[in-house]
Amino acid sequence: GDSVTQMEGPVTLSEEAFLTINCTYTATGYPSLFWYVQYPGEGLQLLLKATKADDKGSNKGFEATYRKETTSFHLEKGSVQVSDSAVYFCALKGVSNFGNEKLTFGTGTRLTIIP
Amino acid sequence: DTGVSQDPRHKITKRGQNVTFRCDPISEHNRLYWYRQTLGQGPEFLTYFQNEAQLEKSRLLSDRFSAERPKGSFSTLEIQRTEQGDSAMYLCASSPLQGSSGYTFGSGTRLTVV
Repeated sequence: GDSVTQMEGPVTLSEEAFLTINCTYTATGYPSLFWYVQYPGEGLQLLLKATKADDKGSNKGFEATYRKETTSFHLEKGSVQVSDSAVYFCALKGVSNFGNEKLTFGTGTRLTIIP
Repeated sequence: DTGVSQDPRHKITKRGQNVTFRCDPISEHNRLYWYRQTLGQGPEFLTYFQNEAQLEKSRLLSDRFSAERPKGSFSTLEIQRTEQGDSAMYLCASSPLQGSSGYTFGSGTRLTVV
């Protein structure tokens, strides 16, 4: 079945540092890939997405490129801020026989940025 | 439209009691999903509705769990005879029938079984 393997945390960085959170996946066919962010006490918010190979998703300074050859979708940001502290989830969207476009999530990476 | 709403935000219950959660999706979204998130883990799929039809249930959804979506609008998730292992965040999400976007998630209902 579909699965997502995500870099384990927690990750602690200083403000303005470069961020990479690794994500690799296993899926049949050509899934869509997503990064979601969860701030303390809140629900999941879509951060960025890519729907086909070599697509680059970007939002709020974060980027991730859909690499089919390495089955990866690593999240990067050039200069992190304290406000980026949150839990980040990599996810893929496959399609089941019932037309159910369910998301399969990684375990999440907790990111803490210190001033 | 205020997004996906879930009620209550928090629920503490004694083991053996029944609980019911409600989800109001974005009004034009045909698809509705329930996920469960335990501490330190990513959300896991529980069940999926397309309009009022429940089309798929995960093996995680034991006989004590039941979900409904009457008239294809709001949805309820009921857990009967709660166990301590049911303690988790229950997330609802909705999406349109067409398109390649991700879901819109609600803020979740945190269940604590004592």
